[in-house]
Amino acid sequence: ILNVEQSPQSLHVQEGDSTNFTCSFPSSNFYALHWYRWETAKSPEALFVMTLNGDEKKKGRISATLNTKEGYSYLYIKGSQPEDSATYLCAFPLQAGTALIFGKGTTLSVSS
Amino acid sequence: DTEVTQTPKHLVMGMTNKKSLKCEQHMGHRAMYWYKQKAKKPPELMFVYSYEKLSINESVPSRFSPECPNSSLLNLHLHALQPEDSALYLCASSHSGGSTDTQYFGPGTRLTVL
Repeated sequence: ILNVEQSPQSLHVQEGDSTNFTCSFPSSNFYALHWYRWETAKSPEALFVMTLNGDEKKKGRISATLNTKEGYSYLYIKGSQPEDSATYLCAFPLQAGTALIFGKGTTLSVSS
Repeated sequence: DTEVTQTPKHLVMGMTNKKSLKCEQHMGHRAMYWYKQKAKKPPELMFVYSYEKLSINESVPSRFSPECPNSSLLNLHLHALQPEDSALYLCASSHSGGSTDTQYFGPGTRLTVL
């Protein structure tokens, strides 16, 4: 059974705080690692697709790193804003060229 | 346009009803997906269509019947559902179904089975 684990399950920070979450995945047969942001009542929104060990990607105040050898990815948010409040999901392809297995997500709440 | 649309947004049905969920994309994507999401759980894959052919069926009960009439449309036909089938049903599409393809999701249909 393929397990994608995310921690913490939930997180509450103050506006301006920087934060990070972890996604752990099987390090064997790695194809790609996807990060999504899912705001309440909206569609899950793709943030990053990461493929190479050591990859680091950035989108505004959000960045992500990838370690395929040890099977983890970190998502960082610098200077959190209330609009960053959402559930952040990572997902791992079951096999090459197939659909995604999602982690349970980290729910971030940012207070102003 | 990176939009995936789903209709209806909400659906309430009885266990003897027959209904359909619809999903549409105009991004030229050739892979389309149905996921089911229960409260406080991650989305779970139900079906994958690749180039309008069913490529993955994750042991979904036959009361759920997918259909891909063309490359832009994906339907999920529902019949004789159970209350435990109540969930958010998400549709997604991607360029060709590759592992590194970004999947674009619709907002989902919130289904309640009475």
